[in-house]
Amino acid sequence: DVKVTQSSRYLVKRTGEKVFLECVQDMDHENMFWYRQDPGLGLRLIYFSYDVKMKEKGDIPEGYSVSREKKERFSLILESASTNQTSMYLCASSFSAGVANSPLHFGNGTRLTVT
Amino acid sequence: GQNIDQPTEMTATEGAIVQINCTYQTSGFNGLFWYQQHAGEAPTFLSYNVLDGLEEKGRFSSFLSRSKGYSYLLLKELQMKDSASYLCAVLGSWGKLQFGAGTQVVVTP
Repeated sequence: DVKVTQSSRYLVKRTGEKVFLECVQDMDHENMFWYRQDPGLGLRLIYFSYDVKMKEKGDIPEGYSVSREKKERFSLILESASTNQTSMYLCASSFSAGVANSPLHFGNGTRLTVT
Repeated sequence: GQNIDQPTEMTATEGAIVQINCTYQTSGFNGLFWYQQHAGEAPTFLSYNVLDGLEEKGRFSSFLSRSKGYSYLLLKELQMKDSASYLCAVLGSWGKLQFGAGTQVVVTP
C-alpha cells in the first residue's frame, strides 16, 4: 500500500511565524500535491509538483511556497503565518501525469491553527 | 478554470439507494474521480471515469456523460458506515485534480 506521511497531525503557531509542513511518500510517485480543506469550500489546490525541483501554482498559492528537493518529499512553507491560514492541510501523491487514471493517495492531514 | 458543483447534503435510510450528482465546467478534461472521506480522515479513492457510461464496483457505481459535463455516484444497499462526505474531482492537465465542495451523506437507521 502507498503510504503518504505528514509530519504533524496538529500544529499551533503564532501569527507571523514561519511554518513548515512536511510530507513524505514511499511509492516513488512523480506527482505530489498540497491541498487545504475548509468547511463548505472543499479541497483547494495550493501547489503541486510533477518532478524534483519542479513546482506549479494551484488555485490558491498566495502566502505559500513549496520545496521538492527529493522525489519522496514535498514541503509546504508558510513564510509568515496568518490567521486565515488556519485550516486542514492535506498532502497527496500520484503515480504519473501521463497515467490519467492514477488516483491520488492522501496523507492523514495536518490541522494547523494560527493564533 | 474549473467549476464543480455537487449538493451539500443528502439523507437516506439504511438499505436505500442514494444518487449524488456532480456537474462540471472545465477547460480540460482527463477523467473524473469520486472519493469518500469519513470525518477526521483522509479521502480515499472510490472510482474513476474517463469514457461515457457506467462503471460498477460492488455497491457503488459511477456514471459519466462528457457531453453534458455530468457525473453521478450511486450508492446501493446503504449501510451506516457509508455516512461520509463524497467528493467529486475532475482531472485536468499535468495530473492536476480539482475537487467539488463535497456531499455529506447521512445514513439513518
